[in-house]
This record gives sequence, C-alpha cells and structure tokens, in this order.
Amino acid sequence: GESVGLHLPTLSVQEGDNSIINCAYSNSASDYFIWYKQESGKGPQFIIDIRSNMDKRQGQRVTVLLNKTVKHLSLQIAATQPGDSAVYFCASRGGSEKLVFGKGTKLTVNP
Amino acid sequence: DGGITQSPKYLFRKEGQNVTLSCEQNLNHDAMYWYRQDPGQGLRLIYYSQIVNDFQKGDIAEGYSVSREKKESFPLTVTSAQKNPTAFYLCASSMGRGTDTQYFGPGTRLTVL
Repeated sequence: GESVGLHLPTLSVQEGDNSIINCAYSNSASDYFIWYKQESGKGPQFIIDIRSNMDKRQGQRVTVLLNKTVKHLSLQIAATQPGDSAVYFCASRGGSEKLVFGKGTKLTVNP
Repeated sequence: DGGITQSPKYLFRKEGQNVTLSCEQNLNHDAMYWYRQDPGQGLRLIYYSQIVNDFQKGDIAEGYSVSREKKESFPLTVTSAQKNPTAFYLCASSMGRGTDTQYFGPGTRLTVL
C-alpha cells in the first residue's frame, strides 16, 4: 500500500547549525506534500507545503525540496534554535483526498 | 481567536464504556478529520467529512462513530467495540475540496482503565 517514511527516527544538531530532515514516499502519483512540527503532548503545527509542480519552496527559516525522480522530500531548517526541538513528520496526498503520514523524526537541538 | 478546539484534553474510560470526544472549529472549514496517533507510528485516519451531514470511513474506522450535524462540529465516539482505544486523538480541518492543508487541534489523550 501507499507509504511515507522518514530516513532517520532521531536527529541531534547543535544550536545555530542547519538541520535537514528527509522523507521518502512510495506513490508516484502524489501531488501534494506537507511538513508538520509536533511538540510533546500537542497537536501538529503546519510548517510548509509544496505541490508536485514545484521543486523548492521557502518559508521563514525553512525550505522544502522535492525530488520527484527518486520520490524524496526534505525539510531544511536554517540556524536551528532550541525552540525547534520537536517531532517533524511529512505527509503526502496521492490519488485521493486523504493524506498519508510518515512516522516522524525527533529533532533535538543542543545548546 | 480562530482555531480548532478539542475537549477534554485528557479522558479516562472504563472498559465497556462509550466516550465522545469533542472537536469544534471556527475557521469556516468545510472538511474535518479524525486521526489516531500511537507511539512510534504515523497518524492514521479514522473518519473524515467533506460536508455537513456526510462522512466517510478512514483506514481504521472499526469501533468508532462520528456525526456531522453542524459545519463547526465533528464529534467522535469511541465505542466499546474498539479493542485498543488508548491513544492520542487528533482532529483536523481544511477548507475543503482542492485545498489540502489540514490544521490540527491540540488533541485528546484517551486512556482506558
């Protein structure tokens, strides 16, 4: 079945460094992708999204890159701060109106 | 102050009891969703509704029921038929067809005693 997966369950970075969180999807018909940030005990918070007609999209300190050839998605966070510590997960929509979610990468920012 | 609210934040249930989780939104969104989140797993879709008085089963609908009598409200009932109901339940909404971004509420943690 359709799946979305993250390459690493955990990622630890130093404050001020850039973070890269990767995600792979299985459905080549996926046309919409979204990244969420979830802090402990809270609901997911929308970060950024991208449609399949784009390769890159930038927000405030975040960039999402989409490589449709290898079905890979990445989230880059510039100048990572302690407040960025959370679980990040991606989701994709392919062929239906439902989103398929990955399991999440826990980002820890060390001071 | 616009957003999605869920209540209660924590809920405890005895085995054999039905419980209803509340989800309300004042974003004027047409679509609403219920997800279940378990440790180490991605979000799994329980039910969703694209319009008032209509809803569809998601991937894990067994043991759950919903209603959509008002645009703003999408309550989820966890019935005694749900074998493993202890989980974190998340409600989300989106503007509707063709607009995919889903915004989430703060969640309800249900524990079966």
